[in-house]
Amino acid sequence: DAGVIQSPRHEVTEMGQEVTLRCKPISGHDYLFWYRQTMMRGLELLIYFNNNVPIDDSGMPEDRFSAKMPNASFSTLKIQPSEPRDSAVYFCASINQAVSSYNEQFFGPGTRLTVL
Amino acid sequence: GNSVTQMEGPVTLSEEAFLTINCTYTATGYPSLFWYVQYPGEGLQLLLKATKADDKGSNKGFEATYRKETTSFHLEKGSVQVSDSAVYFCALSDRTGGFKTIFGAGTRLFVKA
Repeated sequence: DAGVIQSPRHEVTEMGQEVTLRCKPISGHDYLFWYRQTMMRGLELLIYFNNNVPIDDSGMPEDRFSAKMPNASFSTLKIQPSEPRDSAVYFCASINQAVSSYNEQFFGPGTRLTVL
Repeated sequence: GNSVTQMEGPVTLSEEAFLTINCTYTATGYPSLFWYVQYPGEGLQLLLKATKADDKGSNKGFEATYRKETTSFHLEKGSVQVSDSAVYFCALSDRTGGFKTIFGAGTRLFVKA
């Protein structure tokens, strides 16, 4: 099994540019989570989906952030326009709730975003 | 609401020393408890879990016991290795709150040879 796949692994962009982060969850997993990790704020849940439907986006910091899940095997997190304070590592994670009775999350390797 | 509090790091130990990382939680229901580990440059991965009171989770020499009376889930290892250097996250998940997992702030462990 390939695990959760994220791309790109590293992204460097300039302030004001649009950034799109991509995630492919483990096949058959029905929950997908987006997190942001910084030294100052730790690991923050941004949004999560169940069967491609957004369930809770209360962690999305502001309107510049948006996330979509057009199908069960793909999700995007978009920042437009990007700002230096968005620099962080962004993780995607997935769960198969039918198999995991205790909600183990499987994390991708992360995308390190640097906004100059 | 649910929350997790774990000891601040960094924790620096010599190889073969005993490790304890404290974790306490607040939950309204009956959560499952976890320790995740994050090695440099990688995502989090599950280290061990416990799904009910008095359960002991164990993996790779690490152990943690679900203590409902003290609302704690402390991580221990009898003899750490350099390869255990990582960030450790205590976490809980309670299905009454959906499928969200609440993570602690993380504790960085450095093990010196």
